[in-house]
Formats: sequence, structure tokens, C-alpha cells
Amino acid sequence: DGGITQSPKYLFRKEGQNVTLSCEQNLNHDAMYWYRQDPGQGLRLIYYSQIVNDFQKGDIAEGYSVSREKKESFPLTVTSAQKNPTAFYLCASSWGEIHPYFTGELFFGEGSRLTVL
Amino acid sequence: ILNVEQSPQSLHVQEGDSTNFTCSFPSSNFYALHWYRWETAKSPEALFVMTLNGDEKKKGRISATLNTKEGYSYLYIKGSQPEDSATYLCASPQGGSEKLVFGKGTKLTVNP
Repeated sequence: DGGITQSPKYLFRKEGQNVTLSCEQNLNHDAMYWYRQDPGQGLRLIYYSQIVNDFQKGDIAEGYSVSREKKESFPLTVTSAQKNPTAFYLCASSWGEIHPYFTGELFFGEGSRLTVL
Repeated sequence: ILNVEQSPQSLHVQEGDSTNFTCSFPSSNFYALHWYRWETAKSPEALFVMTLNGDEKKKGRISATLNTKEGYSYLYIKGSQPEDSATYLCASPQGGSEKLVFGKGTKLTVNP
């Protein structure tokens, strides 16, 4: 079945550690996104990538890093510089050039919950 | 940053009731309006992507309307069922950019 797979579902991290969240898609989508959800807030964009080997900062990129070496994969690293990393993280993908300006929908993974101890 | 607002924040209805909620967004530089349903422990799923003023879309008992001139969209659920319980998100791209901005969502609970 086509879709987006995020792993792990739950992750615990000690302060000062970097952790990497995995996001893999087999939908052949060009664009991929990372969002963060906090209680009482809308989804906020961390990073996005429209094409392999290129990515852009979203609204809350500080303390995060990404790579896009393959079309299928867009891992997110939460670094020790992220002041408040405990949150729920959602990865998404969409057709990029075929549906510009978001006239096509996003497809989401089931999310990863990160807790800093 | 574009402001996408949803109301109400939460809603409790009885099975069989019809309900509706609102998404408002800036009417200038409009490109698209998305509605997603997000059930607990699942991934958000797209309900509608709307682009034309006056557009109305329907999927089963759920329908949505769009007014781009005044900057709002309504989502209607007819004859709510317990399985409709979810958080409903709306989103709009920020002024021709590559960023989709989400509202905080409306959490719907349908009591049997």
C-alpha cells in the first residue's frame, strides 16, 4: 500500500542528545514536509523540501536539521539546540510541481511523539 | 504569517445531529483551502481541497462551502455519527508561497 511511514512512534530523549525521526514515502511525491504540533496550537512548519538535495526552512526551523538525499526519504534531526523539543511531529508529502500553490492535498504519516526526559 | 482561524475550538453533539464549523482566512492572495479530518491515533486525511469562490464539495454526509471574497469556509456534517468524532483542520497556503498554514482545528465529539 502506498503511504508515508514515520518511525519511531514514540521516542524518549535525554537533554543534550540529538535524535533523528524517520520519514519514508512510496507515493513518488516530489515535496515533503515536517510539522510540529503542540497542545492548543495549529500544525507549524519546521522544514520542507520540493526536490531532492534541496530544502527550505519553515517557520520554526531553529534547533532542527533535515536532509533530502533520496526522493523517498526526509529525516528530521532534533538537535540539542532545540529548546523545547517535547512535541508531536508529523511528516507529510504532496505532488510538488503538478499541483503548485497547494491545489493538491497533503498526505500525512501517523506521527512521532518525542519526549525529553 | 497568514492567520487561519477555526471556530469553535470544540463541539459536542448527539448522534443524528447536524453540525457545522467555520474556517476563516485572509481573502487577499487566495490560492486554495484544505479541510482535513484527524482521528485519534491515525494520520490526518484530506477531505476537500477547494480553489474556486462559491465552490461546494460533498463527500457522503460531509460538505464544504467556500467564500474567497469574504475569507471563510464552512464544513457541514449531516446526521453526525460517533465515527465522525475527530479533529477537523483547515489550511491555506501563505500568499503564493510553498507553506501551507493550518488552523488550530475544531475537535468534534459525537455522543451515541
